[in-house]
Amino acid sequence: LAKTTQPISMDSYEGQEVNITCSHNNIATNDYITWYQQFPSQGPRFIIQGYKTKVTNEVASLFIPADRKSSTLSLPRVSLSDTAVYYCLVGDIAMNRDDKIIFGKGTRLHILP
Amino acid sequence: SAVISQKPSRDICQRGTSLTIQCQVDSQVTMMFWYRQQPGQSLTLIATANQGSEATYESGFVIDKFPISRPNLTFSTLTVSNMSPEDSSIYLCSVAENPKLYEQYFGPGTRLTVT
Repeated sequence: LAKTTQPISMDSYEGQEVNITCSHNNIATNDYITWYQQFPSQGPRFIIQGYKTKVTNEVASLFIPADRKSSTLSLPRVSLSDTAVYYCLVGDIAMNRDDKIIFGKGTRLHILP
Repeated sequence: SAVISQKPSRDICQRGTSLTIQCQVDSQVTMMFWYRQQPGQSLTLIATANQGSEATYESGFVIDKFPISRPNLTFSTLTVSNMSPEDSSIYLCSVAENPKLYEQYFGPGTRLTVT
């Protein structure tokens, strides 16, 4: 059973705000939500992590509703260089051998000029 | 964040041979991991490299096929043994600190082609 579900792909235009939603209906009490960005021919890059409500850093914002069954990664004013695959992961941040680190299929974001 | 390098960056190997991939980190880290990513696909965790003890393998991966070493807190190797074309993939190492298991930092990857 997949831990997360994301749209397979999205298109947007430069300068727009992009919101990518991830569903995680079976999220556990100790689970955090983490997002990665991966450019072609590179390893994934950690973007942001949160547990509840809203987290913001210099790259993105992460919105998590009270029930935590979904989350939304928000990228403000995207540029062509934001074209990448974005992965949403959920899991316990402490080393727990019962937890499986699972990268889902990710969302392929394509920014158009 | 840690800086991670991998060697080789790419290689073309013949079936039946073995390749050892090195992962070097510029600082001591608690956890190191090895992943596989087939072109256009997502990442799959192979194993957790444990310093001073045997690696912990995920379902579907075995030590005889993917032996792993981790002699210290900054270095690990992954060997892909008795290769077949199905092993053609990108192999990535990553590092993290406990309790930041999901805040991982990845190396650039090793692109392996088996002919």
